[in-house]
Amino acid sequence: QAQLVQSGPEVKKPGASVKVSCKASGYMFTTYGVTWVRQTPGHGLEWMARISGYNGNANYAQNFQDRVILTIDTSTSTAYMELRGLRLDDTAVYYCARIQGSGWFAPWGQGTLVTVSS
Amino acid sequence: DIQMTQSPSSLSASVGDRVTITCRASQDIRSSLAWFQQKPGRAPNLLLYAATRLESGVPSRFSGSGSGTDYTLTISSLQPEDFATYFCQQYFNVPPYSFGQGTRLEIK
Repeated sequence: QAQLVQSGPEVKKPGASVKVSCKASGYMFTTYGVTWVRQTPGHGLEWMARISGYNGNANYAQNFQDRVILTIDTSTSTAYMELRGLRLDDTAVYYCARIQGSGWFAPWGQGTLVTVSS
Repeated sequence: DIQMTQSPSSLSASVGDRVTITCRASQDIRSSLAWFQQKPGRAPNLLLYAATRLESGVPSRFSGSGSGTDYTLTISSLQPEDFATYFCQQYFNVPPYSFGQGTRLEIK
């Protein structure tokens, strides 16, 4: 069955960058897109970006388009999300998820806690 | 961009109760709606998609309805394992995607 496994928690200083990985298994990676969503107590779930598993084309939410870069490595069925210029309010749990059908998200990775602290 | 308004934000209920959660979209989303359950410290889990279609393995006490801008998740008879947070996601004419703010379902 399809599964996404994310990299471990990160602690970063303001202004730094973080790169989170999302390794897919149990399905053909190039057939589906991968999306990234973050969750905070104050803002709930925020959609960040998506990337095609086929050709690496990406779309970004307006709030993140200047700071997020999505990439894929089809040889390892892994998607990556890099967030630059970290701020204190970027502290959140970051999730990847497979994009199914017309656009619902399933399954989700287990989440990666990114803490930004000076 | 499409905004999703979910209500209520929290709900107290007892085992065996029937509960209803609502999501309203800022425009017609043509049933492009999914519902998720999330337990503390866990990733969201898909319950329904296309507003009414039950994901494989999800108990039949969960159901969805609605059209246009208004959608409902119903749990017909609450079980102890159903106490969690629920939220909706729209995927019409994306990107961008958007989510409801969530409903925390607590034991009365």
